[in-house]
Amino acid sequence: DAGITQSPRYKITETGRQVTLMCHQTWSHSYMFWYRQDLGHGLRLIYYSAAADITDKGEVPDGYVVSRSKTENFPLTLESATRSQTSVYFCASSEQGGNSNSPLHFGNGTRLTVT
Amino acid sequence: DAKTTQPPSMDCAEGRAANLPCNHSTISGNEYVYWYRQIHSQGPQYIIHGLKNNETNEMASLIITEDRKSSTLILPHATLRDTAVYYCIVRFKPSGSARQLTFGSGTQLTVLP
Repeated sequence: DAGITQSPRYKITETGRQVTLMCHQTWSHSYMFWYRQDLGHGLRLIYYSAAADITDKGEVPDGYVVSRSKTENFPLTLESATRSQTSVYFCASSEQGGNSNSPLHFGNGTRLTVT
Repeated sequence: DAKTTQPPSMDCAEGRAANLPCNHSTISGNEYVYWYRQIHSQGPQYIIHGLKNNETNEMASLIITEDRKSSTLILPHATLRDTAVYYCIVRFKPSGSARQLTFGSGTQLTVLP
């Protein structure tokens, strides 16, 4: 089915472990985004990508790494997970950027718990 | 950034119209008004957006005042499945060639049976 999918849906990991959250979209959208959502903070942008091999930091990038070797995939890696990274992570995509007003389309999120 | 003000919560009877207000008095001329909603445990869902004119789609209507300092999202016949947090956003941040959306706290709409 067309859309944006995230995996896994739920993940529990230990402090210090590396963990990768996957995001895949079938629309061939140029732009992809990673947000985290925490109580009291709303949605905060971690990283975004304008196209394959082009990525940039958002509001809260520390502790995260992204890559975009293919247009349809935008994985998010926590290199050494910390408890403060316990959150719900949302991936999003949009058709265009810059002056475009095309909306963002979100996945259903990955709930990550770091113990 | 243009800031938005939304009531933290609202109730609406099932089958009635839900009118969700948003104030954005510092909006600039080229900023669009976007509405998203988030149903519990799901990702935010795009609803509608507009610049100056009122807009309507299969989900909702968006009414923007003439001075563009406020807007109202209208769900014409609310159902229980419309219970969600509704976000009004008037700022996207071009950063280089990319764009972002900044989400505020939103309005928790509860549709009552």
